[in-house]
Amino acid sequence: KQEVTQIPAALSVPEGENLVLNCSFTDSAIYNLQWFRQDPGKGLTSLLLIQSSQREQTSGRLNASLDKSSGRSTLYIAASQPGDSATYLCAVVDSNYQLIWGAGTKLIIKP
Amino acid sequence: DGGITQSPKYLFRKEGQNVTLSCEQNLNHDAMYWYRQDPGQGLRLIYYSQIVNDFQKGDIAEGYSVSREKKESFPLTVTSAQKNPTAFYLCASNPLGPNTGELFFGEGSRLTVL
Repeated sequence: KQEVTQIPAALSVPEGENLVLNCSFTDSAIYNLQWFRQDPGKGLTSLLLIQSSQREQTSGRLNASLDKSSGRSTLYIAASQPGDSATYLCAVVDSNYQLIWGAGTKLIIKP
Repeated sequence: DGGITQSPKYLFRKEGQNVTLSCEQNLNHDAMYWYRQDPGQGLRLIYYSQIVNDFQKGDIAEGYSVSREKKESFPLTVTSAQKNPTAFYLCASNPLGPNTGELFFGEGSRLTVL
């Protein structure tokens, strides 16, 4: 059974730092992996989608990598800003087209 | 603009009442999903549908019902059988296929049982 784990559960860093959020999954048979952002009381916003054949995707200050063989993805945020404070979730689409979610990492960027 | 619309955004219900949450998408997506989110917890799948007139139970389907009569619409009914319905409900959609696409979410509906 596919399981997705996000570490750490919470992270607090000063503004301007580069940081890495981790997402691991137990079964490498995935169609894609997606990173989301959720602000308190809001829906989820898609940040980056990596198809199983891809190694990474970039959008602005965000870079997501995918290593299927090791069951890992990282979300790299460059030059963090207070507006980046949110909960970040990753999810994989498994071989049965089922979405499997991590529990999220709550990120706080201190001014 | 294309997207997913959930309504109402806030809903209050008395115990014993059924309520229906609306979810409409104009993205021409095949698959639609309903999730429940409780404070400090991750998303839990209630129901999903991959095609019109077909839907499947998720991990926490008890006390909920859905229909998929049109591709664009996937309403969720929270019945009186749901013992703890107060939560934040999120609807999502994505296309299906070997290269399944990006998942889009609505803004959510917050249900409070009085």
